[in-house]
Amino acid sequence: DAGVIQSPRHEVTEMGQEVTLRCKPISGHDYLFWYRQTMMRGLELLIYFNNNVPIDDSGMPEDRFSAKMPNASFSTLKIQPSEPRDSAVYFCASSDTSGGTLEQYFGPGTRLTVT
Amino acid sequence: QKEVEQDPGPLSVPEGAIVSLNCTYSNSAFQYFMWYRQYSRKGPELLMYTYSSGNKEDGRFTAQVDKSSKYISLFIRDSQPSDSATYLCAIHDNNDMRFGAGTRLTVKP
Repeated sequence: DAGVIQSPRHEVTEMGQEVTLRCKPISGHDYLFWYRQTMMRGLELLIYFNNNVPIDDSGMPEDRFSAKMPNASFSTLKIQPSEPRDSAVYFCASSDTSGGTLEQYFGPGTRLTVT
Repeated sequence: QKEVEQDPGPLSVPEGAIVSLNCTYSNSAFQYFMWYRQYSRKGPELLMYTYSSGNKEDGRFTAQVDKSSKYISLFIRDSQPSDSATYLCAIHDNNDMRFGAGTRLTVKP
């Protein structure tokens, strides 16, 4: 398996623009997680899905952030409008039922810069 | 106070040294304790995890948990340059995962 795939790998955008990050989990995995990593705050869980259903979105910082999982092989994280403080590396991770939320496999991340 | 405290380092050691990485946590409800390794410009990868107190060994790596003092440790024996990475501790319970800030380790040849 190719592992968790994220696109784009780098994104530079201007404040106020809409940003969409994409993730393809490992085939057969039924948990999907979105994280944000910054120097100041470390790695933070934003939201996670189980069988395409959002289970916990308490980490989503504000209404400008939204995430969807229309099917088992694709998820998006959208920021609208983006702000400079959203600059971070965004990771997607997935796991299967046996691993649950414990054994997560991370993608390479999307480095977002908002100017 | 953060849920998980971890010294960010950086930590630099010579090849072959024993490395000790540590975290403390505040919430005693957490039952699983993990260590992730993150190479530069990559996503974290799970190294090992333990349940409750005790030790777990995997090759050159040993994870240790002391729940009475809320202290988590990772020991790396015979450290190699390929071990150079950021190491993140994490605590987990009931679908709730919290990460430390990560310690950057460099092993010099």
